[in-house]
Amino acid sequence: GDSVTQMEGPVTLSEEAFLTINCTYTATGYPSLFWYVQYPGEGLQLLLKATKADDKGSNKGFEATYRKETTSFHLEKGSVQVSDSAVYFCALTITGGGNKLTFGTGTQLKVEL
Amino acid sequence: NAGVTQTPKFQVLKTGQSMTLQCAQDMNHEYMSWYRQDPGMGLRLIHYSVGAGITDQGEVPNGYNVSRSTTEDFPLRLLSAAPSQTSVYFCASSGGFLSAGANVLTFGAGSRLTVL
Repeated sequence: GDSVTQMEGPVTLSEEAFLTINCTYTATGYPSLFWYVQYPGEGLQLLLKATKADDKGSNKGFEATYRKETTSFHLEKGSVQVSDSAVYFCALTITGGGNKLTFGTGTQLKVEL
Repeated sequence: NAGVTQTPKFQVLKTGQSMTLQCAQDMNHEYMSWYRQDPGMGLRLIHYSVGAGITDQGEVPNGYNVSRSTTEDFPLRLLSAAPSQTSVYFCASSGGFLSAGANVLTFGAGSRLTVL
């Protein structure tokens, strides 16, 4: 079946540090890939997405590139802020499979001053 | 503001009690779904609906019922609550398969359920 594997957290960084959160996937068909973010006490929000190989999704300084050859979609940000502290979820859906998303387990990010 | 509204935000039940988690969206989304979030397990799909009158099971449907009598509402029913159903529940919706917003889920704020 379909699955998403994320690096375990929590990840603790100092403000302005470089962030990478690894995400790899296995898929039965051709997936679209997503990163969602969950701030404390809130529901998930879409951060960025990519729908085909080599696409780069970007938003709020975060980027992720759809790498079909390595089945990866790693999330990066060049300089994190305290306000980026949240839980980040990698997810996929299969093209033609409706809107059902398969999520990773989430990675908690803590950014300190 | 447009979005997905869940009620209640918090609920404590005793084993064997029943309850309904309410979910409503005002974006005219065709697709609605329920997920549960548990530590170390991410979000798992319970049930989903692709339109009024149509529902289907997700990854973990046992112990839960749903119905979709209108486009706006998608309640989740626990008929006989068990401690294993202690979790945070999220309702999410999106546009239909052919819409511009397909596959992009809008989530509610969540409902935290504790079963004693």
